[in-house]
Amino acid sequence: EVQLVESGGGLVQPGGSLRLSCAASGFTFSSYWMHWVRQAPGKGLVWVSRINSDGSSTSYADSVKGRFTISRDNAKNTLYLQMNSLRAEDTAVYYCARACCFYRPADYWGQGTLVTVSS
Amino acid sequence: QSALTQPASVSGSPGQSITISCTGTSSDVGGYNYVSWYQHHPGKAPKLMIYDVSDRPSGVSNRFSGSKSGNTASLTISGLQAEDEADYYCSSYTTSSTLVFGTGTKVTVL
Repeated sequence: EVQLVESGGGLVQPGGSLRLSCAASGFTFSSYWMHWVRQAPGKGLVWVSRINSDGSSTSYADSVKGRFTISRDNAKNTLYLQMNSLRAEDTAVYYCARACCFYRPADYWGQGTLVTVSS
Repeated sequence: QSALTQPASVSGSPGQSITISCTGTSSDVGGYNYVSWYQHHPGKAPKLMIYDVSDRPSGVSNRFSGSKSGNTASLTISGLQAEDEADYYCSSYTTSSTLVFGTGTKVTVL
């Protein structure tokens, strides 16, 4: 069974940092591209970032470019999102999702982890 | 990277059909046949319902169908059921190699 479990969310002050993790199981993690998508309270889904299967290629939404870094450890079947210089508008539930390859849909998603940026 | 435009809400009675539109530009919806639709119940993981405009993943009811014309994609739910009540999002890859989601549509079963 495919499972994606996010962790690392919590309360952080503006300007602070947080690292999210997404533990994958039930499939060959190293063969899949991975995405981070977020949903602010009462708002819609917003794509944040993606990484290819071997970690050599990444892409970011303009709103997080230069502040967030996506990475992966295929030996540990884990995806990461390092979030720096956090702002109130980064408050959201963060989901990880897998896609078989470029231009393919995100076919499995985790349940999400909540990040709250507030003083 | 502007969000794709969806109606905020759509409603229908059990057994009826409803259609949700998703309007983008030639740089996303109109430029590729890589439109997907997701069903999202609050607090749960989003579920892929349609991909590549009109294909259904295994296990998704054939009551869900997708189409596209120009810069607008559509999701139709036929034979509406109470369990279909959820938020629905379209998504598309863009010419900038990024992914963009729609604004989301709340489906209410009357």
